[in-house]
Amino acid sequence: AQKVTQAQTEISVVEKEDVTLDCVYETRDTTYYLFWYKQPPSGELVFLIRRNSFDEQNEISGRYSWNFQKSTSSFNFTITASQVVDSAVYFCALRGSGAGSYQLTFGKGTKLSVIP
Amino acid sequence: EAQVTQNPRYLITVTGKKLTVTCSQNMNHEYMSWYRQDPGLGLRQIYYSMNVEVTDKGDVPEGYKVSRKEKRNFPLILESPSPNQTSLYFCASRYGQGSKFFGPGTRLTVL
Repeated sequence: AQKVTQAQTEISVVEKEDVTLDCVYETRDTTYYLFWYKQPPSGELVFLIRRNSFDEQNEISGRYSWNFQKSTSSFNFTITASQVVDSAVYFCALRGSGAGSYQLTFGKGTKLSVIP
Repeated sequence: EAQVTQNPRYLITVTGKKLTVTCSQNMNHEYMSWYRQDPGLGLRQIYYSMNVEVTDKGDVPEGYKVSRKEKRNFPLILESPSPNQTSLYFCASRYGQGSKFFGPGTRLTVL
């Protein structure tokens, strides 16, 4: 069975602060895929990143960066110099391989509020 | 423009009145799925389809039906809606091991 845990239910930061959203996952698959999605107040789900289990390189995209650590089964997401527009619910998700490739398992989400 | 569309976007109905939420994608994706999102529970998969005429249950299939007669369409059917099906519903599609594209969501209220 697959499981994704986002222990932080809600986080509030002041604009320009850095913030890290935690994601811990469980899977028995040796090949799997990890994702982050953003859900702004308007409600749509916006894809942010996909990471394959065999690629442990960290990634940076503008103010966003992701730290994938297989040894601790974590895929954390950092926003540098946060902005009000970053306020949203962020979901971490996991998809396995084989029979598990048909299911995208989501964490329960972390609500980020960036205060001006 | 590549997209997943859902209709209706908002729906208020009453218990027991059959309804269908349509989902369509224009990317020729093989795989489509439905999720519901509830506060504190995140997104949970209802049904998925690997290709035309191939569907299977997700985590929370009770009270729902689906069909996949054409590649582009994957409607979600509630034969006899109940208040516990009040939720935000998302349709999604993907090709192979690619990333999922999500529709804009359908907010359903069952009175």
